[in-house]
Amino acid sequence: DIQMTQSPSSLSASVGDRVTITCRASQSISSYLNWYQQKSGKAPNLLIYTASSLQSGVPSRFSGSGSGTDFTLTISSLQPEDFATYYCQQSYSTPHAFGGGTKVEI
Amino acid sequence: QVTLKESGPALVKPTQTLTLTCTFSGFSLSTSGMRVSWIRQPPGKALEWLARIDWDDDKFYSTSLKTRLTISKDTSKNQVFLTMTNMDPVDTATYYCARTLLRLGGYDYWGQGTLVTVSS
Repeated sequence: DIQMTQSPSSLSASVGDRVTITCRASQSISSYLNWYQQKSGKAPNLLIYTASSLQSGVPSRFSGSGSGTDFTLTISSLQPEDFATYYCQQSYSTPHAFGGGTKVEI
Repeated sequence: QVTLKESGPALVKPTQTLTLTCTFSGFSLSTSGMRVSWIRQPPGKALEWLARIDWDDDKFYSTSLKTRLTISKDTSKNQVFLTMTNMDPVDTATYYCARTLLRLGGYDYWGQGTLVTVSS
């Protein structure tokens, strides 16, 4: 099975900051990497699919990059509504493992 | 408009079998490329992928849980089912169903989730 490792597990940031979250796969997954945002008590929301494609309706301050084993989610200018937990997930092969999550706090 | 909703018991006893239903609308699981998965999240912990069923009835399972899981569908009723045998307190979690497309990869629509507590 492919394992997904996110870092950091948590971070503190301020409104307006540029935030970067990384995700590493235990083997190459090409570009089959997705990013989700989850707010407390809610279902996850798809932000980025296939590493760099922005899901419809997601603000352009979110971007993704990477291929192979190393991936990055960037929030260009953190907004108050962006404080949440972020997860990466591989869809290269089943089981479609998720990373451990990154909590973005004020 | 695509919607999914999970239903099932809120409380199960250890060793019992859990059966969850995902009822969806706005798409058909008989459409080529359509897929529905189950994902769970223990309180305060990360997401865990459990199983997936595809439009062509292919089925895929978590390696660590595959002996306990069965996923199935009733296309005519727009429902996907998950059974998990031999429930244990560590299986206490919010269980989500979610849709993905072959061309998309990511899960674009999710149900609200249903909390299942395993306790005697």
